[in-house]
Amino acid sequence: DTAVSQTPKYLVTQMGNDKSIKCEQNLGHDTMYWYKQDSKKFLKIMFSYNNKELIINETVPNRFSPKSPDKAHLNLHINSLELGDSAVYFCASSQDRFRGSYEQYFGPGTRLTVT
Amino acid sequence: KNEVEQSPQNLTAQEGEFITINCSYSVGISALHWLQQHPGGGIVSLFMLSSGKKKHGRLIATINIQEKHSSLHITASHPRDSAVYICAALMEYGNKLVFGAGTILRVKS
Repeated sequence: DTAVSQTPKYLVTQMGNDKSIKCEQNLGHDTMYWYKQDSKKFLKIMFSYNNKELIINETVPNRFSPKSPDKAHLNLHINSLELGDSAVYFCASSQDRFRGSYEQYFGPGTRLTVT
Repeated sequence: KNEVEQSPQNLTAQEGEFITINCSYSVGISALHWLQQHPGGGIVSLFMLSSGKKKHGRLIATINIQEKHSSLHITASHPRDSAVYICAALMEYGNKLVFGAGTILRVKS
């Protein structure tokens, strides 16, 4: 039973399109994250939500909008896709920091290719 | 300069060798993660530690908070250990991970 799942696994689209990536975790965690891994394999945090509330919002273009309908889901919507958005996007989750556990569990990643 | 630095960037070893990957950080942290990313792309958390040493099978992770340094050791390395190993520091304030650039490990048989 997959702990953190993402859909789709691969996404190929043209510049200017709008697309969404979905993430779900069944671990009962309170905190979820979106990370971007660039072509050099460097990971960087984009957003973090805790109990549906945005707590981390790094310097990310406002074309990227996370949405958390409930604490088990964190979706990423991207408007007006650009070539530079091509990357692998990872979702992750962890228990709330106040419960003392910070270990993060990663989804399988979504490889986005913008042509 | 990145807040989290790893070395070496690339490492090739013969099967059976003892391997060490180093991680240094320049900010206050509450914990440090070691992650493994296989060629297929999935990321697995190996260790999370805030002090001392942890061991899991052939993997050992240590951290020295005063020196702001952590090491990941692999004993009796095997070709299946070939992967990218990533160090990530959990910032002292907030629940944010800052990642090193990764170490590409290749173990030859």
